[in-house]
Amino acid sequence: GQQVMQIPQYQHVQEGEDFTTYCNSSTTLSNIQWYKQRPGGHPVFLIQLVKSGEVKKQKRLTFQFGEAKKNSSLHITATQTTDVGTYFCAGASSGSARQLTFGSGTQLTVLP
Amino acid sequence: SQTIHQWPATLVQPVGSPLSLECTVEGTSNPNLYWYRQAAGRGLQLLFYSVGIGQISSEVPQNLSASRPQDRQFILSSKKLLLSDSGFYLCAWSGVAIRNEQFFGPGTRLTVL
Repeated sequence: GQQVMQIPQYQHVQEGEDFTTYCNSSTTLSNIQWYKQRPGGHPVFLIQLVKSGEVKKQKRLTFQFGEAKKNSSLHITATQTTDVGTYFCAGASSGSARQLTFGSGTQLTVLP
Repeated sequence: SQTIHQWPATLVQPVGSPLSLECTVEGTSNPNLYWYRQAAGRGLQLLFYSVGIGQISSEVPQNLSASRPQDRQFILSSKKLLLSDSGFYLCAWSGVAIRNEQFFGPGTRLTVL
């Protein structure tokens, strides 16, 4: 079955430093989504990427979808304490567009 | 606007006891519904999903079951809980359009003792 790997598992940064998490799928994806889960909370949808090579920005967050549609990254510029949480990628394959396979997540800690 | 409800928020149950977690969605029709389990500090494991009333797909064989008695109601059950059933249970819904982002409920934190 489809597998989605995400690294790193944990990341500690000083406030103001940049942060990147990477996601790799074992199969070609129809789209990839990113979610953020605050400590004690539930995952919240951030963005969806559909096109090969697509890049989207949300303020300090930059999302990329690889040319082969098998990998993705999320980059946060100048982290803030409000960025704390776990970031998950989730891939959908063309065979089951409404079913997502979640990566294991990257837990981000921002030190003030 | 759409909202998703889950209850209870927390639950402590003895091993061998039954389980029933309920999820309801408001403000949308014919949603796709999902049950996930998240172990402490881990990712999301898809347990069941449903594309319509009475239609349940199981992703992981285990002692849990799911039912969808109404369009916007999704229930997760067990006849006898195991210690390994402890975790954070999340219900989610998505629309039927091409864009398929999922919207999660607040979750139920289950501890089996």
